[in-house]
Amino acid sequence: DAGITQSPRYKITETGRQVTLMCHQTWSHSYMFWYRQDLGHGLRLIYYSAAADITDKGEVPDGYVVSRSKTENFPLTLESATRSQTSVYFCASSDFGLPLNEQFFGPGTRLTVL
Amino acid sequence: TQLLEQSPQFLSIQEGENLTVYCNSSSVFSSLQWYRQEPGEGPVLLVTVVTGGEVKKLKRLTFQFGDARKDSSLHITAAQPGDTGLYLCAAGGGSNYKLTFGKGTLLTVNP
Repeated sequence: DAGITQSPRYKITETGRQVTLMCHQTWSHSYMFWYRQDLGHGLRLIYYSAAADITDKGEVPDGYVVSRSKTENFPLTLESATRSQTSVYFCASSDFGLPLNEQFFGPGTRLTVL
Repeated sequence: TQLLEQSPQFLSIQEGENLTVYCNSSSVFSSLQWYRQEPGEGPVLLVTVVTGGEVKKLKRLTFQFGDARKDSSLHITAAQPGDTGLYLCAAGGGSNYKLTFGKGTLLTVNP
């Protein structure tokens, strides 16, 4: 599929388990981002990546790990899930040729940690 | 980090009414974007404003950037149920392509 996709769309897990959320984009965009969206907090940046093998922390990185071995993929791992990580997670991408930081978002993954 | 405050937080109106939502900051923006997010989907860019005082129109939506580039507004004329969604403003402009988002205005247009 063209564009930016996320999988799974819905996930229920238990406290302490490891969970990986996948993000794939077909545009070869250089920049990729992970956000979480919670009522009362809006969209908050977890991690971002400027290119393959280059990642950096955002506003709320604790408890999350990212990797980017290929330009098109940017997985987000919760190493030991906690209830406070229940949220909707969005992946986004952007690139040098796009005007003024325009970002394209995936459809989101709704994660519930029991 | 730029703090963006959006108001109102919630807005419920009848079809055909006009409305305005606001995005404010104490910081000066180099640019500002408005996104719309429909239920179960990711945000989609509506417009980017750059110049102080700039006005952009997208069908029934009018976006204005304040003269001092610290605030922006979105005005919808004759709202329709299809306008229902979460409207987010975002500011960025750094070399790392990061954006800071406001918390959004949740708009419901009732038929």
